[in-house]
Amino acid sequence: DGGITQSPKYLFRKEGQNVTLSCEQNLNHDAMYWYRQDPGQGLRLIYYSQIVNDFQKGDIAEGYSVSREKKESFPLTVTSAQKNPTAFYLCASSPDGVYSNQPQHFGDGTRLSIL
Amino acid sequence: GQQVMQIPQYQHVQEGEDFTTYCNSSTTLSNIQWYKQRPGGHPVFLIQLVKSGEVKKQKRLTFQFGEAKKNSSLHITATQTTDVGTYFCAGRARTSGTYKYIFGTGTRLKVLA
Repeated sequence: DGGITQSPKYLFRKEGQNVTLSCEQNLNHDAMYWYRQDPGQGLRLIYYSQIVNDFQKGDIAEGYSVSREKKESFPLTVTSAQKNPTAFYLCASSPDGVYSNQPQHFGDGTRLSIL
Repeated sequence: GQQVMQIPQYQHVQEGEDFTTYCNSSTTLSNIQWYKQRPGGHPVFLIQLVKSGEVKKQKRLTFQFGEAKKNSSLHITATQTTDVGTYFCAGRARTSGTYKYIFGTGTRLKVLA
C-alpha cells in the first residue's frame, strides 16, 4: 500500500538537544510538507519542498531545518533554537505542490515533548 | 496576514442532529479543500471545491463554496457517532507571487449517542 510513514510516533527532547523526525513516502509525489499542530489551532506550515534538493520556509520555520536529498524522504530537525517544540508534527505530500490543486496526504504524525 | 477562520471551534450534538461548520477567509481563494481528523489520527482529505457557488454532496455531507470564493461551509445531516472528529478547511490563496494553502483553525465535533 502506498502512503506516508512518520517515525517515531512519540519523541522526547532534552534541553539543548536537536532531534530529527523522519518522513518517508512511496506515493511518488513531488511535493512534501511539514506542519505543526497545537491544541485548538489549525495546521501551521513549517517547511515545504516542491522538488528534490529544493525547499522553502513556511510560516513558522524558525528553529527548524529540513533537507530533501531524495524524492521519498523529507526529514525535519527540531533544533535547540526552537524554544517551544512541544506539539504534534504532521508530514504531508501531494503530487505536484502548492501550485496545483491536488489534495495532501498526511502521515500519522509524531508527538514531540520536552523532558 | 491572510487568515482562514473557522466557526464554531467546538460543537456537541445529539446523534441524529445536524451540524454545520463555517470557514471564512480574509482573501479570495482559488479553491478550498476539506479534511477530517479523527481523534488521535491524521487529517484525511474529504473534498475540494473550485468554482464560485459550487455545491457538492457526499452522502450526508454537503459542501458549499461562496459566490465570492471567500467562504465555505460543511453541513452534516443526521450526525452519527462515526462523524466524531475535527473538520478543517484549507484555502488556497495567492500571496507574494506564489500560492499557499492556509488551514482553518478547525471545528471539533462530538456526537452524543
